[in-house]
Amino acid sequence: VQLVESGGGLVPPGGSLRLSCAASGFSVFSNYMSWVRQAPGKGLDWVSVVYSGGGTTYYADSVRGRFTISRDNSKNTLYLQMNSLRVEDTAVYYCARGVYAPYYFDYWGQGTLVTVSS
Amino acid sequence: EIGLTQSPATLSLSPGERATLSCRASQSVGSYLAWYQQRPGQAPRLLIYDASNRATGIPARFSGSGSGTDFTLTISSLEPEDFAVYYCQHRSNWPPLTFGGGTKVEIK
Repeated sequence: VQLVESGGGLVPPGGSLRLSCAASGFSVFSNYMSWVRQAPGKGLDWVSVVYSGGGTTYYADSVRGRFTISRDNSKNTLYLQMNSLRVEDTAVYYCARGVYAPYYFDYWGQGTLVTVSS
Repeated sequence: EIGLTQSPATLSLSPGERATLSCRASQSVGSYLAWYQQRPGQAPRLLIYDASNRATGIPARFSGSGSGTDFTLTISSLEPEDFAVYYCQHRSNWPPLTFGGGTKVEIK
């Protein structure tokens, strides 16, 4: 089982970025998949989840309406489209697989750094 | 929103010693609490879920207890690789998820 994030970088406030998380060893479609972020030197902050199968999605209040989680089953890849980025969105973004339930995470990627700055 | 407060912020111990970490919820979260370990430069690792169940592959020296508002993670005898930051997490009003602020276990 492996998760590999990509797509992070430096973006100005108000800009957009799309993160990718390529999964191997299991099916993204058949598992709960989340994005969790961590601002530099800070704690963990859950961002969004997509449920297995039907693909119901949920978001943290801080990102609802700006971020969109999605998946491409043919590529076995999870995405996070981030629009209207703010300085406070600066963080390492991890994708993570839910185990036992959608809200406990057993496998995590290595993270990708998003820096929002002018 | 239910908050989680972890204490102490930093725990200074020697290898072989017992570590006791606390996580307190502002309201009852039942048994819906997990613990994660994060080593420097690494992603978090699930240790305990539903307050007291060890995740797959987690050594027996890690144990979790508690329910309602008060929870404890115990490491019975610290190994060198256990010096890390530990986070608790609840899901009682999922979504969203809430994490605690973390406890750093450092070498004394």
